[in-house]
Amino acid sequence: SQKIEQNSEALNIQEGKTATLTCNYTNYSPAYLQWYRQDPGRGPVFLLLIRENEKEKRKERLKVTFDTTLKQSLFHITASQPADSATYLCALLLTSNYQLIWGAGTKLIIKP
Amino acid sequence: DAEITQSPRHKITETGRQVTLACHQTWNHNNMFWYRQDLGHGLRLIHYSYGVQDTNKGEVSDGYSVSRSNTEDLPLTLESAASSQTSVYFCASRLDSNTGELFFGEGSRLTVL
Repeated sequence: SQKIEQNSEALNIQEGKTATLTCNYTNYSPAYLQWYRQDPGRGPVFLLLIRENEKEKRKERLKVTFDTTLKQSLFHITASQPADSATYLCALLLTSNYQLIWGAGTKLIIKP
Repeated sequence: DAEITQSPRHKITETGRQVTLACHQTWNHNNMFWYRQDLGHGLRLIHYSYGVQDTNKGEVSDGYSVSRSNTEDLPLTLESAASSQTSVYFCASRLDSNTGELFFGEGSRLTVL
């Protein structure tokens, strides 16, 4: 079966450290992968997009990698801050119908 | 500033009632989407539209309908609400590009008693 998985357990990180979130998928052939941030009671907000032919993408303290052989994307936040605490969602765009398939999200908690 | 707004933000209704959730965007985007979000699940696509008079079923469309009479609005209707439709509903839009980011509304929390 096709599925996309993110760590269901909350990730607790000390302020200043690098937080790494994982997005794994099976049986998909994605064209690209997006990462979003969602705060409680709010809608998701787009952060980064990485295409299937890109290995790495950076934006300020954020870095995303995409390994189509491992079928995995890693999302890194360097020099993490309490304000980075949120749920982070990954989404794959399928080449078959150009629809987005979403992971359930990982809750990140940055402790001062 | 352009934005996407949903109303109502919170609604409680009874089983069997018809409910309509409104979505209005001022981005002038052709693509609009309705998702539902439940604990432990990723966002699941209900219906989507690529332009005026265009509507398409998503992964979980049963019991829901949409209409697109103009670019700005995509109302979501639950014809006969069921307890299984208790959820948080998000409307989103994007530019025509298939690679474009989605812009989300703040969500509508619906409780069906």
